[in-house]
Amino acid sequence: SAVISQKPSRDICQRGTSLTIQCQVDSQVTMMFWYRQQPGQSLTLIATANQGSEATYESGFVIDKFPISRPNLTFSTLTVSNMSPEDSSIYLCSVARDTSYEQYFGPGTRLTVT
Amino acid sequence: GQSLEQPSEVTAVEGAIVQINCTYQTSGFYGLSWYQQHDGGAPTFLSYNALDGLEETGRFSSFLSRSDSYGYLLLQELQMKDSASYFCAVDFNQGGKLIFGQGTELSVKP
Repeated sequence: SAVISQKPSRDICQRGTSLTIQCQVDSQVTMMFWYRQQPGQSLTLIATANQGSEATYESGFVIDKFPISRPNLTFSTLTVSNMSPEDSSIYLCSVARDTSYEQYFGPGTRLTVT
Repeated sequence: GQSLEQPSEVTAVEGAIVQINCTYQTSGFYGLSWYQQHDGGAPTFLSYNALDGLEETGRFSSFLSRSDSYGYLLLQELQMKDSASYFCAVDFNQGGKLIFGQGTELSVKP
């Protein structure tokens, strides 16, 4: 298993500003992922955070808007840049192990942009 | 593209059995997963099918038929605490990214 923490748990931000979300895992993992979940909706993958290389972004998401860092095997950050109300959502990080099909999710960061 | 279709809502009574279907239009995936998410909580893993057939884990079972592009989650002996959203998801390699279905909100009534 894996225990994941995220900071902040929630925030209210003004449009045009940026917020950096942190994800910390209690053990080393190869793969870390960032998802977005809008209220009442499903989870949409933003990007895969690779240690030692640039993140891999899904269609519709770009590095300028969602820069990601992965400095080591237990930590990653996602920045939501130049925010607009449409970015209001829950942002979740998750991890998976090479030898497992199970993903473990953090508690999420609830972002409201006004 | 990849898409996974689920019913948006299902209602059942305590003690009953309910089946949540997942039909997909995607190919080349490694396996089909099911996750449970309570309001305000993180998704938690329930079950996984890499091969066709039935996988049983306690009160929960999951089924996959690649030839029919179809899977389902079966919940038996429903309890009130089973009220939650349920998501099917596919992955394309072990430990890789997940593509989620739209989710099914299950309401269990007394």
